[in-house]
Order: sequence, then C-alpha cells, then structure tokens
Amino acid sequence: ETGVTQSPTHLIKTRGQQVTLRCSSQSGHNTVSWYQQALGQGPQFIFQYYREEENGRGNFPPRFSGLQFPNYSSELNVNALELDDSALYLCASSLNPNTGELFFGEGSRLTVL
Amino acid sequence: DQQVKQNSPSLSVQEGRISILNCDYTNSMFDYFLWYKKYPAEGPTFLISISSIKDKNEDGRFTVFLNKSAKHLSLHIVPSQPGDSAVYFCAASRTGNQFYFGTGTSLTVIP
Repeated sequence: ETGVTQSPTHLIKTRGQQVTLRCSSQSGHNTVSWYQQALGQGPQFIFQYYREEENGRGNFPPRFSGLQFPNYSSELNVNALELDDSALYLCASSLNPNTGELFFGEGSRLTVL
Repeated sequence: DQQVKQNSPSLSVQEGRISILNCDYTNSMFDYFLWYKKYPAEGPTFLISISSIKDKNEDGRFTVFLNKSAKHLSLHIVPSQPGDSAVYFCAASRTGNQFYFGTGTSLTVIP
C-alpha cells in the first residue's frame, strides 16, 4: 500500500511568482485535503477535493486554487506569491469526505523571498 | 480566530510515567476530535479519535477524554516511552471535511 507522496519536498520562489505543488493520495482514497502549516502553528485547512470537485474551502484567498485528477491525485496552485505564503504545505488523503482519519504526506516546504 | 487551543507548547515526562496533553476548543458545534503525532521531517500521523457522543476512547497506551461542558479534551499516554517524544496536535471538526488544529505540544519523554 502506497502512502501519500508530495513533490517537491522543498522549493524557493520569489514574491509574485506562481507555484504548483503535487500530491498522490494513498491507494483507495478518493478525497484529498490541503493544509498550510506556518512556523510554530498548527495546520490550517485550505480546501478539500472529493471526486474531482472542491468540497469545502477554508479562509484562503482565490489565488490559492486546486485540482483533483481522475486518479485522485491533486495539485495546489498559488499565484502571486507573498512572503507570508512561506510555510509547509501538507496534503492529506482520506477514504471519504467525512471520515476523520487523514493520512498526511511529508509536506512541501515553500520559501518565498 | 483560534478555535482549537493547546496552551502548553512543551511537556517533559519521565519514562514510565503518565503524559497528559490538553486541548481546549471554543466551537460547541464540533462533534469529532482527533489527536495527531508529528515527528520532525514527517507529516502528522493519526493517533486516536473521539466523537462527541462519547466521553472516553482508549487504544492501548493512549486514552482520549472529552469534556463537552468544559469544551476540553485531553490525551493520556500511559506508560510514556522515549519513542513517544514528538509534537502532538489536537484537531476538531463539525462537518467532517474541515479540521481545525491546535498549535501543538512538544512532548519529551526522558529515559
């Protein structure tokens, strides 16, 4: 059974650029959630995708967008990067949208200069 | 607005003793609560959960207690082991799809 994998693990961007982060969900999981974890904080919910549709969104601006593909993998896109976007971005998959047990990947650490 | 709070950033416990990690929440609509453990350079790992219809759930050395009237939950680890040293996050949800996490408590178990 393959766990949740994320890429890239680390990346550096400059303010105003765009970034795409990728996530492969655990085998058999049809739901992917994205969280942002700033330094010293707990993970904050960005959005969830279930069967290729957005299924809930946290308090993040529209420049944060996502996709889920037919194989349930997912992308997180952030446009017009700001310094405060520097954080660890965590992807989590789950068996269905309303189950509590999220399986997290190791995260993608984004630094915006 | 922090809806889930972990007021102790760190905790040190001797091996074999009990570790008690605390979590408070403000939203009375939360009906599902979880604890996650996180090691450095790894994603959080699910530990134990409890729904609001229960006040206790036990899994081996780990027990979670829920006090709905006080909007408080706690995680007990007995006996504590050095491998339990990690950051522990509590999380809460009312819809099942959006979880609110606390800021974490770093547990150190001293051999």
